[in-house]
Amino acid sequence: NAGVTQTPKFQVLKTGQSMTLQCAQDMNHEYMSWYRQDPGMGLRLIHYSVGAGITDQGEVPNGYNVSRSTTEDFPLRLLSAAPSQTSVYFCASSSSYTEAFFGQGTRLTVV
Amino acid sequence: AQKVTQAQTEISVVEKEDVTLDCVYETRDTTYYLFWYKQPPSGELVFLIRRNSFDEQNEISGRYSWNFQKSTSSFNFTITASQVVDSAVYFCALSEFGLASGSRLTFGEGTQLTVNP
Repeated sequence: NAGVTQTPKFQVLKTGQSMTLQCAQDMNHEYMSWYRQDPGMGLRLIHYSVGAGITDQGEVPNGYNVSRSTTEDFPLRLLSAAPSQTSVYFCASSSSYTEAFFGQGTRLTVV
Repeated sequence: AQKVTQAQTEISVVEKEDVTLDCVYETRDTTYYLFWYKQPPSGELVFLIRRNSFDEQNEISGRYSWNFQKSTSSFNFTITASQVVDSAVYFCALSEFGLASGSRLTFGEGTQLTVNP
């Protein structure tokens, strides 16, 4: 049982480049979320989804897009990377009665 | 708006000492969930406990115990007889969305616990 799988684990981007962080879960969870973790700030919610075709913004959505075409996948797109987006990104999934299960994280550096 | 405060940024103890990590939260909802997660040096997030707002019973799991007090909006975490393997960052988190307990979390800033041999 893989749980929540994030790819890639590490990525270096140049300012202005775009990329997609992948997230897949195999637990048939309806809820999925993206968080970023910065030193001294805990984890902050970027975007979340309550089911296929439904997404909404979290606390820090600017510069990121998401879509949810299937229950399993919830990719996070950086449209034009900026140094302020250097962070560790975590994807999570949950059902109505469970805690959030997190992926291993993606460490992104924007230079 | 909801908020979680972990006032202790770093704690350092010697092995076998007991240590309590504080968590204070703010919410306007009457239905909410509280969580503790552990993040070891390897970086993954490990779920420790979930507590809903209607259950104020304290919980003990081995060396871990949790004290939930709605009157003071606190959900503190105690490690008894700490071990070096307990060294990690610990996060307290709050979810206001009823049954969707894990879908939108507000995290505290985290407490870095270092247990020295």
